[in-house]
Amino acid sequence: GQNIDQPTEMTATEGAIVQINCTYQTSGFNGLFWYQQHAGEAPTFLSYNVLDGLEEKGRFSSFLSRSKGYSYLLLKELQMKDSASYLCGRNNAGNMLTFGGGTRLMVKP
Amino acid sequence: GAVVSQHPSWVICKSGTSVKIECRSLDFQATTMFWYRQFPKQSLMLMATSNEGSKATYEQGVEKDKFLINHASLTLSTLTVTSAHPEDSSFYICSARRTGEGEKLFFGSGTQLSVL
Repeated sequence: GQNIDQPTEMTATEGAIVQINCTYQTSGFNGLFWYQQHAGEAPTFLSYNVLDGLEEKGRFSSFLSRSKGYSYLLLKELQMKDSASYLCGRNNAGNMLTFGGGTRLMVKP
Repeated sequence: GAVVSQHPSWVICKSGTSVKIECRSLDFQATTMFWYRQFPKQSLMLMATSNEGSKATYEQGVEKDKFLINHASLTLSTLTVTSAHPEDSSFYICSARRTGEGEKLFFGSGTQLSVL
């Protein structure tokens, strides 16, 4: 399998910063996605990392280390609406995308 | 706006009946679409890759005869859950890539299937 691991649940406070980690097997790896999914809705695209380093998009940033098989999603200035599941997805050889178990983030006032 | 349309959004059916779910790419051609299943509070599990004009590629453990996939045109893929049972109740969601958007997957809005 792809062995994509991420924490099951996280809790953070409104206005704070939270980092969601993801580790994966490095063989056959093409790139790393992060998606946000609210309950009962389709996932929405957040980021796609192919090269090592940090990519910033507004309040959200994503980091990748290909050699370590490691990525994280950083959410700054948390808002209540950020409460959702965050899915780490691996783009594999053959361009199939497989997901980790997802991290349910709860933002509290 | 949405680039992948999925229908129906929800369906309730009796055990033993078949249910068809449609996935359409709205303004682009998709030679490949992906079907996922998601149980409550769990992540998306890839079921199969739908290929236009050829047979779908199923993931290990997914029954081909139970989950029939047809990709008859460049904008439409269908998933038919045959002889549905209560354990098939789940959220089914399709996705596709759009030319020029790189590797990004666009998802349909999903179908919540409840089998009584």
